[in-house]
Amino acid sequence: GAVVSQHPSRVICKSGTSVKIECRSLDFQATTMFWYRQFPKQSLMLMATSNEGSKATYEQGVEKDKFLINHASLTLSTLTVTSAHPEDSSFYICSADRAGGHNEQFFGPGTRLTVL
Amino acid sequence: GDSVTQMEGPVTLSEEAFLTINCTYTATGYPSLFWYVQYPGEGLQLLLKATKADDKGSNKGFEATYRKETTSFHLEKGSVQVSDSAVYFCALSDRYAGNNRKLIWGLGTSLAVNP
Repeated sequence: GAVVSQHPSRVICKSGTSVKIECRSLDFQATTMFWYRQFPKQSLMLMATSNEGSKATYEQGVEKDKFLINHASLTLSTLTVTSAHPEDSSFYICSADRAGGHNEQFFGPGTRLTVL
Repeated sequence: GDSVTQMEGPVTLSEEAFLTINCTYTATGYPSLFWYVQYPGEGLQLLLKATKADDKGSNKGFEATYRKETTSFHLEKGSVQVSDSAVYFCALSDRYAGNNRKLIWGLGTSLAVNP
């Protein structure tokens, strides 16, 4: 149990376009979901924390107008990279905190975004 | 603020060798400590955890003991296998840091096990 899916797994887009990434908890309810970027030297950077039905909390230095997060239900959160640029190319990972859980996060497989 | 320091990789071992990946932390409160693993081409998954001092987390032959006196949570395995090749991340969650669900991550340590 506790499976998290992400879609798409890979996306290539032109500079200036917007890209939406979906994160779903398949067999549990997630009160909180997290969005990360993973950089080439492996470090994970937390971008934002989203709680169902409320505005996301962004980490310092992350532009909320650039990275729009919507946590519309207990099983779905979306990250939209608006007006993407090549420097937004990265590996984006979501995780979900199961309601009633003990600080354990379940991770999606990630989305590789390439902006040309 | 809270932080996690992990030994740098990559680590290369022969099969059946002993593994230690060091992890130390700083935290303002009483954190829970985690090791996550990322196998090639897969998502991160929890390997083991410990929620209070002197707890030992264990899974798949891996162990880590929460040492408050040395603020450490070193990952060990007595005999590694080729299938253990992955990237290992140490992380903490500090219940008293204002957000009890936020994880603070180490940089990750890549392990390659040769047959």
